[in-house]
Amino acid sequence: GAGVSQSPSNKVTEKGKDVELRCDPISGHTALYWYRQSLGQGLEFLIYFQGNSAPDKSGLPSDRFSAERTGGSVSTLTIQRTQQEDSAVYLCASSLGTSRHNEQFFGPGTRLTVL
Amino acid sequence: GQNIDQPTEMTATEGAIVQINCTYQTSGFNGLFWYQQHAGEAPTFLSYNVLDGLEEKGRFSSFLSRSKGYSYLLLKELQMKDSASYLCAVDNDYKLSFGAGTTVTVRA
Repeated sequence: GAGVSQSPSNKVTEKGKDVELRCDPISGHTALYWYRQSLGQGLEFLIYFQGNSAPDKSGLPSDRFSAERTGGSVSTLTIQRTQQEDSAVYLCASSLGTSRHNEQFFGPGTRLTVL
Repeated sequence: GQNIDQPTEMTATEGAIVQINCTYQTSGFNGLFWYQQHAGEAPTFLSYNVLDGLEEKGRFSSFLSRSKGYSYLLLKELQMKDSASYLCAVDNDYKLSFGAGTTVTVRA
């Protein structure tokens, strides 16, 4: 596609349920990133993929959060046993690589609301 | 840790100039990005600075001083469509560390 796409655009779930968020990066982009944007706060780095490997998972808030990437393309962020504090916009970004001037292209995000 | 500060809000008049400051203290530095984000939309790239000095791109300019840990984004000839949030982000090898964003409101 022309840009990074994410689905669903909105997700409302009950506390304790599991959710899966999907990201389709720009074709040919080897690097993929997940960020979280909470109301009134800056984007918070969650995890970074280079190809199918995740060299940096340091931003994942707890072991309820996991992510995978298959075929060097689509990525899924899974949140198990959701809590109300997980409510945020989850943004995915991709880039050609990690060389200098590594412009990241962002998707529109998934707005997650945990009731 | 990473510390990136920018003002929360700014208001300006159509046709005017606004300067958004960003100060940073980060463990690594591979450059500084400015992104624009309209409400409910994805952030879009505006500018990138890795060397000290001014980068000009149409109505938008961005300045960097690495020794001072300081950058600014200058928006000239403001238009109503420039009302948005402006995000300062430092490139730490691969991941971006973001400030909280500055909401700019342009008034007629």
